[in-house]
Amino acid sequence: DQQVKQNSPSLSVQEGRISILNCDYTNSMFDYFLWYKKYPAEGPTFLISISSIKDKNEDGRFTVFLNKSAKHLSLHIVPSQPGDSAVYFCAATHAGNNRKLIWGLGTSLAVNP
Amino acid sequence: GAGVSQSPSNKVTEKGKDVELRCDPISGHTALYWYRQSLGQGLEFLIYFQGNSAPDKSGLPSDRFSAERTGGSVSTLTIQRTQQEDSAVYLCASSFLSNQPQHFGDGTRLSIL
Repeated sequence: DQQVKQNSPSLSVQEGRISILNCDYTNSMFDYFLWYKKYPAEGPTFLISISSIKDKNEDGRFTVFLNKSAKHLSLHIVPSQPGDSAVYFCAATHAGNNRKLIWGLGTSLAVNP
Repeated sequence: GAGVSQSPSNKVTEKGKDVELRCDPISGHTALYWYRQSLGQGLEFLIYFQGNSAPDKSGLPSDRFSAERTGGSVSTLTIQRTQQEDSAVYLCASSFLSNQPQHFGDGTRLSIL
């Protein structure tokens, strides 16, 4: 069963606009959520994270929102840039599983000039 | 370098052969994880090392897979009697502590003929 779901395999946005990537989870024990960005032939690169005690975390152009009641989180990128084009993975973890990351299948973002 | 280093970057071998994959984590990172990504699949956890504690091997798919971490630093993942379904990208990650973001190497792309 897929505990972390990214229901949109792909997303296309115009440069300068907002990109919103969504992620849903089923395991209520998850207490830490991360977003990674991945280019072809490279490993995932950590972007931003959020603890379950918060509902928002911001770092420059990247903001992650967490809605625990809905078991939903989203990553906002504002403004989007062509260099943001990559596959974005949502991952979740909790202390009871040795902090191993449980991953979504990713969303491929294309930012068009 | 300052990042997680994995070698080889690519490995092609015949079915039935043994392979050994290497990971050099970021210096000072106590936690080390192995994941793999098969074609069309999400990343899946394989094994976790934390300091001198017994490793969490719960993600290893069969007893053909083993891993060790010597001196709390370098780790090797060994696959014996490789099968075609072992073809995947094997990713290593490390973190300073297990409750902090994991940083990934670029992976080893393993192809079993």
